[in-house]
Amino acid sequence: LAKTTQPISMDSYEGQEVNITCSHNNIATNDYITWYQQFPSQGPRFIIQGYKTKVTNEVASLFIPADRKSSTLSLPRVSLSDTAVYYCLVGFNNNDMRFGAGTRLTVKP
Amino acid sequence: NAGVTQTPKFQVLKTGQSMTLQCAQDMNHNSMYWYRQDPGMGLRLIYYSASEGTTDKGEVPNGYNVSRLNKREFSLRLESAAPSQTSVYFCASSPDSYTEAFFGQGTRLTVV
Repeated sequence: LAKTTQPISMDSYEGQEVNITCSHNNIATNDYITWYQQFPSQGPRFIIQGYKTKVTNEVASLFIPADRKSSTLSLPRVSLSDTAVYYCLVGFNNNDMRFGAGTRLTVKP
Repeated sequence: NAGVTQTPKFQVLKTGQSMTLQCAQDMNHNSMYWYRQDPGMGLRLIYYSASEGTTDKGEVPNGYNVSRLNKREFSLRLESAAPSQTSVYFCASSPDSYTEAFFGQGTRLTVV
């Protein structure tokens, strides 16, 4: 199973773009990269998933280089409500995906 | 549309007691999961059910049993609770094992 490494915490200010990078050196050929967001006392919420290059949806973008050994979640123009823990997961399906400690993002006014 | 509903939300047990955590989803999903989350840590998969009638062990199954009662419901049972099982438990479901998972609000369990 691919091990992921991401920063423990990050600070940002409202209106800024935030990029959270995740390393996954031993990603397997058929693994997908998925990001979840978790607020205190709530279950995680799916943000975005990708396999290669770039994926964009209404809330975030996911950049994956050609070697797929890392990925970057990009949150455009963050607000205070984006303060949360963000998890990077790598796996073929939900049954083998491992949640690490995540990145605690704090958005300041 | 309630999504994934877990009961109870809070529970205190004495060591050795048993209890069942209930989970139900109304999205007609095939796959369901039970996770535990300990302070400052990510979620760890306890058991999962890829479809009605099937269950499989996850990363940390010891001390737990599960039942996939029907397509909607997936319960987690602690036969003899231990303090090490103090945690927040999350149930999740997904259309299949390869699509995004939807999580419940969690059950905060304390074993004293």
